[in-house]
Amino acid sequence: QVQLVQSGAEVKKPGASVKVSCEASGYTFTNYYMHWVRQAPGQGLEWMGWINPNSGGTKYAQKFQGRVTMTRDTSISTAYMEVGSLRSDDTAIYYCARQYNSGWYFDWGQGTLVTVSS
Amino acid sequence: QSVLTQPPSVSGAPGQRVTISCTGSSSNIGAGYDVQWYQQLPGTAPKLLIYANINRPSGVPDRFSGSKSGTSASLAITGLQAEDGADYYCQSYDSRLSGILFGGGTKLTVL
Repeated sequence: QVQLVQSGAEVKKPGASVKVSCEASGYTFTNYYMHWVRQAPGQGLEWMGWINPNSGGTKYAQKFQGRVTMTRDTSISTAYMEVGSLRSDDTAIYYCARQYNSGWYFDWGQGTLVTVSS
Repeated sequence: QSVLTQPPSVSGAPGQRVTISCTGSSSNIGAGYDVQWYQQLPGTAPKLLIYANINRPSGVPDRFSGSKSGTSASLAITGLQAEDGADYYCQSYDSRLSGILFGGGTKLTVL
């Protein structure tokens, strides 16, 4: 079955960068868009953008343009999401989410907690 | 502004029926884009509950149902059980944002 396994929790200082990975299995990695969604503590879900694992093409939410980079390595079926210039309000759980081909809905990874603190 | 509006909280006793609304606009639900619902149990990732407005993935009990009309959608849960206590999020696509939109989430308390 579809599995999305994310990297472990991170603690970063303000101004640093963090790169979260999402290893996919149970399906053909290049056939499905991968999205990233974050959830600040006690808050709702916030869509960040997607990557087309086949072409490498990306679409970012306007809020994250210029500060977020989504990449992939097809040889190991892994997607990455990097956030730069971290601030305290970037503290959140970051989820990768595989989009179904039939519509805008998702299977989810287990989440990666990123804590930004001096 | 592109938003999906949900009530912050709903509650019901075991066995009762509750509904959660999700109100959008002409750039998302009203434009014909499908609505999805996710259940998020404490400390876990969201789980797909309803897709394309009314469909349940395999394994989701038929106590959960979805509907859509105009610029709004609803999630209904019948025969409430203690384990239904969770946060519920609606989600759609928004043409103005050219991206995904989530509702603010609704916390369901089973009394």
